[in-house]
Amino acid sequence: EVQLVESGGGLVQPGGSLRLSCAPSGFTFRNYWMAWVRQAPGKGLEWVANIKDDGSDKYYVDSVKGRFTISKDNAKNSLYLQMNSLRVEDTAVYFCARHGRRVFDQWGQGTLVTVSS
Amino acid sequence: DIQMTQSPSSLSASVGDIVTITCRASQTINTFLGWYQQKPGKAPKLLIYTISTLQSGVPSRFSGSGSGTDFTLTINSLQPEDFATYYCQQSDSVPWTFGQGTKVEIK
Repeated sequence: EVQLVESGGGLVQPGGSLRLSCAPSGFTFRNYWMAWVRQAPGKGLEWVANIKDDGSDKYYVDSVKGRFTISKDNAKNSLYLQMNSLRVEDTAVYFCARHGRRVFDQWGQGTLVTVSS
Repeated sequence: DIQMTQSPSSLSASVGDIVTITCRASQTINTFLGWYQQKPGKAPKLLIYTISTLQSGVPSRFSGSGSGTDFTLTINSLQPEDFATYYCQQSDSVPWTFGQGTKVEIK
């Protein structure tokens, strides 16, 4: 059974940093592109970042470019999202997702990030 | 960026109804269009990919169709567990984008 388990969310002040982690299981992690997708409270889904299976290519939505970094450690079977210079508008549930067949075919349960003073 | 616009934003329907949700893209999408279902407090679930391919384990009452800029999700014989919010999403070009969602409520 495929599972994705996020961790690392919490309350942070504007301008602060947070690192999210995602622990996958049930599939060969190194063979898949992975992604982070977020959902602000009461709002729709927004793709945040993608990373190629071998970690060589990364893509970001414009609103997080230069502030967020996605990374993938195939040896440790882990996906990360380093978030710096956080803004109030980054408040959301962040989902780790497997990007297979060019869709988000498996999702974690999400971790809440709250940016507030 | 490709903008995805869903209609309607919400609808009320009864068990057994046929429900149709449309998704219009601001540019032509060649292949990579998916549909997701999300229930309150839960992660989204993939229903359909590449416009019309049913994800494994998804009931056959769900179907997808369309081409170019216009796409449709159809739910035949709506079941109680289908009351949820549905999103379309394109992966033809970065940034990958979602529609704003369609909430299906009980009439």
